[in-house]
Amino acid sequence: DIQMTQSPSTLSASVGDRVTITCRASQSISTSLAWYQQRPGKAPKLLIYLASSLETGVPSRFSGSGSGTEFTLTISSLQPDDFATYYCQHYNNYSPWTFGQGTKVEIK
Amino acid sequence: QLQLQESGPGLVKPSETLSLTCTVSGGSISSTGYYWGWIRQPPGKGLEWIGSIYHSGSTYYNPSLKSRVTISVDTSKNQFSLKLNSVTAADTVVYFCARHPQDYCSSGSCYRGGYFDYWGQGTLVTVSS
Repeated sequence: DIQMTQSPSTLSASVGDRVTITCRASQSISTSLAWYQQRPGKAPKLLIYLASSLETGVPSRFSGSGSGTEFTLTISSLQPDDFATYYCQHYNNYSPWTFGQGTKVEIK
Repeated sequence: QLQLQESGPGLVKPSETLSLTCTVSGGSISSTGYYWGWIRQPPGKGLEWIGSIYHSGSTYYNPSLKSRVTISVDTSKNQFSLKLNSVTAADTVVYFCARHPQDYCSSGSCYRGGYFDYWGQGTLVTVSS
């Protein structure tokens, strides 16, 4: 299985901060990577697919980059709605698809 | 607006079979180009993909659960279902249904389609006697 490792596990930040979350794959996954936001008690919400494509309706302060084994999710200016847990997911092949362990973005 | 809704018993006894149904509204489960999947999440923990199905009945499963899982589709009811047998306490998690594109090609390039763009709200299933 391809292992997805996110860092950090927890991130403390303030409204207006620029935030970056990293996701590393145990082997190359090209750009077959998605990012999700999950608020407590809710389903995950797709933010980014194909590593850098913004899902329709997602604010432009969210952006993704990377290819191969290293990827980043950046929030350019953190808003109150953005305090949540973020997950990356690979879907490069049917090996199976796996998620990172999550990064919780907390209020500083 | 596409909506997915999970339903089924919230309590299952150990060694029995967990059965959940996902009802799709606002769109057709027979739409070309989309698979329908199940994902689960232990409370407070990460996500695990269980498996996916196409409206034709074509399936693929996570090998870690494959021996216990069956996913089926009923296009007449716009539903797909999950059966997980021989459950234990470790199967006490929140189960989500979701949609993902199938692999596709655009502008001369081809892409994997395994990202989940629509999700149900999730349902907690507890395994306990």
